[in-house]
Formats: sequence, C-alpha cells, structure tokens
Amino acid sequence: DAGVIQSPRHEVTEMGQEVTLRCKPISGHDYLFWYRQTMMRGLELLIYFNNNVPIDDSGMPEDRFSAKMPNASFSTLKIQPSEPRDSAVYFCASSTLAGRSDTQYFGPGTRLTVL
Amino acid sequence: KQEVTQIPAALSVPEGENLVLNCSFTDSAIYNLQWFRQDPGKGLTSLLLIQSSQREQTSGRLNASLDKSSGRSTLYIAASQPGDSATYLCAVRRDTGGFKTIFGAGTRLFVKA
Repeated sequence: DAGVIQSPRHEVTEMGQEVTLRCKPISGHDYLFWYRQTMMRGLELLIYFNNNVPIDDSGMPEDRFSAKMPNASFSTLKIQPSEPRDSAVYFCASSTLAGRSDTQYFGPGTRLTVL
Repeated sequence: KQEVTQIPAALSVPEGENLVLNCSFTDSAIYNLQWFRQDPGKGLTSLLLIQSSQREQTSGRLNASLDKSSGRSTLYIAASQPGDSATYLCAVRRDTGGFKTIFGAGTRLFVKA
C-alpha cells in the first residue's frame, strides 16, 4: 500500500484566501484523523471520521475550518478565510480497529504558510 | 480532561547508552497508548501500541510499558544509536467520549556518535 497520501506538501497563501488540503487514507481503514502541529501547541486533533461520518470535531478551532469525507478514499480540510495564525503543519492519519490494532498511520503532512 | 505529559523535553546521550523516556496521563480510562517517532520535517511513524489490557510491548531494541492505574508509560531504548535521534511522542486514545486521541509534547532525543 502507498500509505496515507496528502496534497499539497507545501502551500503558501495570502491572508483571506481559501485553502484546501487533501488526504487519501490507507485502503480499508475506517478511521480518518486530521491533526495540526505547531511549535506552541504541539500536535492537536482537529476532527476525526469513522466510516466517512464526522465523530468529533471539537478540536476544530473555529467556523473558518471545515472538513468533509465524501467517500472512504478521500477527505478534505478547508480553511476559509485563512489567517496567519493558521500557519502550521497539517497531518492526516488513518487507522482501523479490525483486530483491535488501531495503529494510526500518518501522512507526510502539508506545511501551510499564510502570509 | 485528559492531559499527556512527557519528561524530559529533551535528552542527549552517548551512543550505546540505554535510555528511558517517560509519558504520564491524567485519566486512566484509556483504550490504548501509542508511541511514535517523528524525524525533522517528516510525519509520525508508529513504534509500538499497547492496548489497555496489556502491560508491555516489544519491538527490537524498543520496549514500552503501561501502568494504567498510575497513569504512566515508559519507552525503553536499548543500545542507542545515532539513527535513533528524533522526537518521540506518546499518544493516548480515550476509552469513552468517542475515542479521541491526545498527544504529549514529545521528547527530543539526540544520540551522539
């Protein structure tokens, strides 16, 4: 398997612009997680899905952030409008509870810079 | 509210030394605990996962233990190598409220050749 795929790897945008981050989980995994990592706050869970349904979005910072999972092989995280404080590395991860494994596999991340 | 703390924040050791990284959590109602490694500018790689019913897991030179009652886990690295230099993070997944995962801030390890 190719692992978790994220795109783009780097994104530089100006304040106020819309940003869309994309993720393809590992085939067969039924959990998908979006995380944000900053020096100040470490790694934070933003939202996670189970079988394409959002389960917990309490980590989403505000209404400017939204996430969707239209099917089992694709998810997006959108920021509209973007602000400089959104600059961070955004990770997507996937897992499955089959066999009680639950190991989370992370993608390489998207480094977002908002100017 | 679950909080995860890792001590020390940074560690520098000579090659060949055995070392222990610590992770503590405030709520013992966990589903599992996972140790990750993160190299600079890269994503996280899972090292070991311990289910709540288990006491330890081993993989090669790595051994992770879990004491749920005291809210502690340790990651033991035997015979450290320069290639072990990375940041190590522990994460606990809650047993209630939807399996939310909480990460510690990590321990940055540097192994000197």
